[in-house]
Amino acid sequence: DTAVSQTPKYLVTQMGNDKSIKCEQNLGHDTMYWYKQDSKKFLKIMFSYNNKELIINETVPNRFSPKSPDKAHLNLHINSLELGDSAVYFCASSRRTGGPTPLHFGNGTRLTVT
Amino acid sequence: AQTVTQSQPEMSVQEAETVTLSCTYDTSESDYYLFWYKQPPSRQMILVIRQEAYKQQNATENRFSVNFQKAAKSFSLKISDSQLGDAAMYFCAGPHMDSNYQLIWGAGTKLIIKP
Repeated sequence: DTAVSQTPKYLVTQMGNDKSIKCEQNLGHDTMYWYKQDSKKFLKIMFSYNNKELIINETVPNRFSPKSPDKAHLNLHINSLELGDSAVYFCASSRRTGGPTPLHFGNGTRLTVT
Repeated sequence: AQTVTQSQPEMSVQEAETVTLSCTYDTSESDYYLFWYKQPPSRQMILVIRQEAYKQQNATENRFSVNFQKAAKSFSLKISDSQLGDAAMYFCAGPHMDSNYQLIWGAGTKLIIKP
């Protein structure tokens, strides 16, 4: 049983295109996140939703738009892709109510923009 | 500024030996959580161990243990009897001052296991 699943695993696309990455968790967690890991392996939070409400919105270009249709899903849509968007994107989830749980990560989506 | 510092970009250890990865952090909170995550070449992020700051006892998970020094704001990870499968990037994560929903991440330490 996959706890946090994100699709696709790999995404290769050209500059200027629009793409989406989907994420779903079946852990019953109330908080979901998007992280970006650059080529130097540095992890940077992008967004976080708690019970479908945006609670963290770090300084990312507004070409990136998260959407959370329900507590179990958090998708990431990227418009007008640029070369610098190439990275690994991780979805994660955790529970905040009743005491925080560790982050559970998806397997990542490697985005390559050519 | 809040930081989590992993001062060792890379460490190597002989198989079956013990290695310690260092992590220091900065916070004004008294109650918080600290984590070590492992990222093998498969790129999956795997929780290794968690420490709750209000617990004085160091957390232990099989061959993995921490040396938590709250006053010094130090949270090192000790791996005993190193195995080839331990080769990975190891990330330390600590509390964010302004948000209970956010962690501050270290830059990672690449652990190499020599057979």
